[in-house]
Amino acid sequence: GESVGLHLPTLSVQEGDNSIINCAYSNSASDYFIWYKQESGKGPQFIIDIRSNMDKRQGQRVTVLLNKTVKHLSLQIAATQPGDSAVYFCAENGSGNTGKLIFGQGTTLQVKP
Amino acid sequence: NAGVTQTPKFQVLKTGQSMTLQCAQDMNHEYMSWYRQDPGMGLRLIHYSVGAGITDQGEVPNGYNVSRSTTEDFPLRLLSAAPSQTSVYFCASSEYRGRTEAFFGQGTRLTVV
Repeated sequence: GESVGLHLPTLSVQEGDNSIINCAYSNSASDYFIWYKQESGKGPQFIIDIRSNMDKRQGQRVTVLLNKTVKHLSLQIAATQPGDSAVYFCAENGSGNTGKLIFGQGTTLQVKP
Repeated sequence: NAGVTQTPKFQVLKTGQSMTLQCAQDMNHEYMSWYRQDPGMGLRLIHYSVGAGITDQGEVPNGYNVSRSTTEDFPLRLLSAAPSQTSVYFCASSEYRGRTEAFFGQGTRLTVV
C-alpha cells in the first residue's frame, strides 16, 4: 500500500553542523512532496515542497532533494540552530488528484549546543 | 490573518459522549482535511473535503462524521466517543488539491476517559 517512511526516528547534531533528514516513499505516482516541521504542542508548519519534475529545490537554509529512481527524499538544513529542534515529517500526495497527503512517521531532530 | 483556527484546544470526554471539533479557515481554500496524530506516529487522514458540499473518507474514518456547508468551515463530529479516539486532531486547508502546501491549525488535544 501507499506509505511514506523515514529512515531514522531521532537525529542528534551539534549546533552549527549541517543536518540531513531522509525519507523513503513507496508510491511512484506521487508527484508532489512536502517537508513539515512540528514543534512541541503545535501544528505542522510548512518548510519546503518539491514537484516531481525537479530533483532539487532550495529555500532559506534548507534544501530538498528528490531521487525518483530510488523513491527517496531528503531535507538538508544548513548551520543547524537550536530553534531547528523539532519533529520533521515528509509527506507525499499519492496517486490521483485527491488532495490527500500521506505522512511519514517523523524524525526528531535534536540540536546540541 | 488567522489562517486555520481550531476550537477547542483541549477537551476531555466520557466514553459515549458526543462532541464537535470546530475548524475554520479564512484563506478561501477549497480543500480541507482532518488528521489525527497519535504518540510516535505521523498524521493519519480521517476525512477530507474538496469543496462546499463535498466530503470523502480518508484512512481512518470510522467513528467520525464531517460536513462542509460553507467554504470556511469543516467541523468534525464524534457521535459516541471511545478511548481509542484519544488523540491530537489537526485540521488543514490548502488552495488546490494535492499541489500546494497545506496549512495546519494548532490542534485539539482530546482525551476520552
